[in-house]
Amino acid sequence: GQQLNQSPQSMFIQEGEDVSMNCTSSSIFNTWLWYKQDPGEGPVLLIALYKAGELTSNGRLTAQFGITRKDSFLNISASIPSDVGIYFCAGTLTGNQFYFGTGTSLTVIP
Amino acid sequence: NAGVTQTPKFQVLKTGQSMTLQCAQDMNHNSMYWYRQDPGMGLRLIYYSASEGTTDKGEVPNGYNVSRLNKREFSLRLESAAPSQTSVYFCASSEELASDTQYFGPGTRLTVL
Repeated sequence: GQQLNQSPQSMFIQEGEDVSMNCTSSSIFNTWLWYKQDPGEGPVLLIALYKAGELTSNGRLTAQFGITRKDSFLNISASIPSDVGIYFCAGTLTGNQFYFGTGTSLTVIP
Repeated sequence: NAGVTQTPKFQVLKTGQSMTLQCAQDMNHNSMYWYRQDPGMGLRLIYYSASEGTTDKGEVPNGYNVSRLNKREFSLRLESAAPSQTSVYFCASSEELASDTQYFGPGTRLTVL
């Protein structure tokens, strides 16, 4: 199956710090998505990207669709305790099947 | 609006037992999905249903069967459970197959002894 690698695997940061994470694929995608999963819950969509080079924001979150179409980046500014969770990237070429990354676990220390 | 609901939340099975995981959505979505989530592996697609009456294999279909009972419900069956099927199972739905916004249920945590 398709492999999506996310880094870092986990992050421990102080409240107020900025966060950066990325996702790389072995092949090109037409759509990149970023999800957040809270403990005991299903993933929730944060941002969707449709075009190489696209930069999209959702509040304190900003994501970019890499120009090679094989990577994507997520930044969180001024982190707060409720940002805690696991962040997943997902990508698709055809739209029939999305492939998910391995996740980045974020811990925010108050 | 409950969104996507899954039952049960937790289940323990012995090797060889069978069970069905239930999923229902109340958003009038056409497409539904079953994923499994394992530590360090992310979510992997087991089966999906583009619309009522159709089902297709995803990335890891072996050992599973599905039924799209009607537009609302999509069940996942393990005929003879194996320890390798210990995982957290998520059901999701979307308006159409190519829709990027998939809505996920809360998950079923399954342990096979």
